[in-house]
Amino acid sequence: NAGVTQTPKFRVLKTGQSMTLLCAQDMNHEYMYWYRQDPGMGLRLIHYSVGEGTTAKGEVPDGYNVSRLKKQNFLLGLESAAPSQTSVYFCASRPHRDGGTDTQYFGPGTRLTVL
Amino acid sequence: DAKTTQPPSMDCAEGRAANLPCNHSTISGNEYVYWYRQIHSQGPQYIIHGLKNNETNEMASLIITEDRKSSTLILPHATLRDTAVYYCIVRVNAGGTSYGKLTFGQGTILTVHP
Repeated sequence: NAGVTQTPKFRVLKTGQSMTLLCAQDMNHEYMYWYRQDPGMGLRLIHYSVGEGTTAKGEVPDGYNVSRLKKQNFLLGLESAAPSQTSVYFCASRPHRDGGTDTQYFGPGTRLTVL
Repeated sequence: DAKTTQPPSMDCAEGRAANLPCNHSTISGNEYVYWYRQIHSQGPQYIIHGLKNNETNEMASLIITEDRKSSTLILPHATLRDTAVYYCIVRVNAGGTSYGKLTFGQGTILTVHP
């Protein structure tokens, strides 16, 4: 059971380039999330998904797109990278339990630098 | 979700108990208190959560005041590996319109020293 994994761990892009970050979870969780964390700050939610084939915007969605074609994978895309998108990106997942509390499980993060 | 207030930093000697406070004076009746921590360069890690009663697990204890306006996370025997940023988060039970979104504030930087 690997939990939540993220690919790649590090990446350097030039302004205007595109890339896709992959998040995978093997816990059969329904919900998945993408966060970004800038230096000295807490995490901010970019997009999330409540199930396969569904996505929704979080707090800071501009400049990003996501897809959830398979339940275990949640992809975060940058179509035209900008220096302001330099950050550490974390993926998380959690199960859906009606009427119950739950917790989120985080991946190790992807460090992205946009020059 | 209710706003939380935490001290920006705290120190603790190794082997001693670390008591991390959190103020959430605007908490509503259906909101839970969650604690996560983030060790340097790693993803956040769930620690514990509670609604009204005090809670304990293998990692920590959570003490919630009777009026629920504040809480304390207790690490009973802190080690150097407990050095991290600790986040207190208050949110409604997942399943409503929040979709379980976690709102991370600045947290408390806990430094455990030898």
